[in-house]
Parts: sequence; C-alpha cells; structure tokens
Amino acid sequence: AQTVTQSQPEMSVQEAETVTLSCTYDTSESDYYLFWYKQPPSRQMILVIRQEAYKQQNATENRFSVNFQKAAKSFSLKISDSQLGDAAMYFCAYRSAWAGGTSYGKLTFGQGTILTVHP
Amino acid sequence: EAQVTQNPRYLITVTGKKLTVTCSQNMNHEYMSWYRQDPGLGLRQIYYSMNVEVTDKGDVPEGYKVSRKEKRNFPLILESPSPNQTSLYFCASSLRGSTEAFFGQGTRLTVV
Repeated sequence: AQTVTQSQPEMSVQEAETVTLSCTYDTSESDYYLFWYKQPPSRQMILVIRQEAYKQQNATENRFSVNFQKAAKSFSLKISDSQLGDAAMYFCAYRSAWAGGTSYGKLTFGQGTILTVHP
Repeated sequence: EAQVTQNPRYLITVTGKKLTVTCSQNMNHEYMSWYRQDPGLGLRQIYYSMNVEVTDKGDVPEGYKVSRKEKRNFPLILESPSPNQTSLYFCASSLRGSTEAFFGQGTRLTVV
C-alpha cells in the first residue's frame, strides 16, 4: 500500500517571501501521479499542481513549483511571492497510474500542512 | 457547469439515527468515491465505485454503506451513526483515463 507523509503540521511565511512544503511518499510502483491540493477555509479542494512520475521535469504553475525527487520519493511544493490568499491547508496526494488495478482513481493523502501568510 | 454536488453541507445528528449524504455529478464520470477528513490524518477513502452497480471498500469502510444505481449518484449511508463518525466528508469523481478528480463542497457531520 502507498503512504504519503507530510511532516510539517504548520508553516508560516511573510507576504512576498518564498516557502517550501515537504512531502514524502512510499510506493513500489514505478508509474504514478503526485498532486498538491489547496483547501482554504471554504473547505473546497483545489488542485494546485500535478506531476507525472515518468516526467523528469518538475511541474510549474505560475508561482507554484515542485521539486520531484523520484529516487528519494520526495515531492515538495515551493510557493514564490506568497500572497495572503495562499493561506490554507495544503495536501500532498498520490495516485497510481495503473488503470487495471482496484486502486485506480484512489487518491492517498498526506496529513496536511496549514500555511499561514503574514502581511 | 461541471460540478459535484453534496448535500447537506452541515448536519448534526444523534447516535443511531440513520442518515444519508447525497452526492451527484453531472460530468458522466465512471469513478466516484467518498473520503473522510480528520485532523492529523488527512483524507482517507471510505468507499469507491468504478461504475454503476460496481462498488468496493476503501481504507475505512466500517460503519458506512454506499450504492450506485445511477451513474450520476453515489450516496453515502450511515445506518447507525456513532460519535467517531464525526468528520468532514468529501465526494469525488473522475473520468476513466483522466487524472483530474472533482470534489464536492464537503459535508460537516457531527454525531452527538
């Protein structure tokens, strides 16, 4: 079974600064997807960024980028030029790429990291 | 608008009183699932469905039931709720072959 670990329950950053959220995972599979989701106080689950394991290039989405280290099973999220609207709970998640398995479509989540942004 | 709709958004109930949380999606997605979110544990899968009449247990299925009689609907049933089922619940759906999951707005359930 796959596991996802977020070891930082809380993080804080000053507005306009950069912060990195950590995530490690464990799997025996070679092909999979990794995600970062943002959950603001509204409880909505918002996809921030997605990484395919077969791609060596790190994904980027505007101010959000990841550092994907497949051998180390590490998947950190970097938020640059932090804004007040970035304050939220962030979840790291794993999904198998194998369409034939019973875990197809299942997302395995980490424990979450609460990010506070100070003005 | 493509969306997953959960109802109700908030529910307070008493131990043992059967309840149903509804979930409906309008995107013709095959895959639907239920998660519960608890502090320090993240989201954990309760049940999932690969298509109509095809359902199976996730990681924490005890105390829950589901059904999938129509493609668009995937209700979560608590036959005899207990206080340890107090949680935030999410329904999610996705299209086979796509990596994108669509989440409902969440249901905050309190069992007293």
